[in-house]
Amino acid sequence: DIQMTQSPSSLSASVGDRVTIPCRASQSIGNFLNWYQQKPGKAPKLLISATSSLQSGVPSRFNGSGSKTDFTLTISSLQPEDFATYYCQQSYSNPLTFGGGTKVEIK
Amino acid sequence: QVRLQESGPGLVKPSETLSLTCSVSGDSLSGYYWNWIRQPPGKGLEWIGYVHYSGSTTDNPALKSRATISIDTSKAQFSLRLSSVTAADTAVYYCARAPLGNSVNFDDWGQGTLVTVSS
Repeated sequence: DIQMTQSPSSLSASVGDRVTIPCRASQSIGNFLNWYQQKPGKAPKLLISATSSLQSGVPSRFNGSGSKTDFTLTISSLQPEDFATYYCQQSYSNPLTFGGGTKVEIK
Repeated sequence: QVRLQESGPGLVKPSETLSLTCSVSGDSLSGYYWNWIRQPPGKGLEWIGYVHYSGSTTDNPALKSRATISIDTSKAQFSLRLSSVTAADTAVYYCARAPLGNSVNFDDWGQGTLVTVSS
């Protein structure tokens, strides 16, 4: 199985900050990497697919980058509604696997 | 706009079988993989498996063949059965849609349903 590692598990930031959330795969996954946002008590929401393809309706302050084993989700200017937990997910091979998540908290 | 809705018992006894159904409205079942994903309280996400419109399935080996996913296209529903449950199976269970393609991503989700395994 491909292990997805997200570290740190949490980070503190202020409104307006530029935030980068890393994700690492245990082996090369090409660009088969997706990002989700989850708020408490809600289902995850797909933000970015195939490393960098922004889903319809997702603000342009979200950006995905990377390849092979190292990927990053960047929020260019953190907004109040962005405080949430972010998960990466690989779709290179079955079983599909998620990272453990990074919680973005208010500083 | 597709809508997915999970239904099923919220409490299951240890060693019994968990059964959930996901009802799909607002879109056709064809052209997608239909997935089950779970999240233990306070923890991360685990993919359980998916079923295709044709009925073919793929599941996560970590569940040791305890999961069975099926589809009923006439009712626009798909289902999960998880046998021999233990407390470790306590989780919020989500159904989710994934478009067919090279990269499986979950673009629509149900609201989730909490299933507790306890006697």
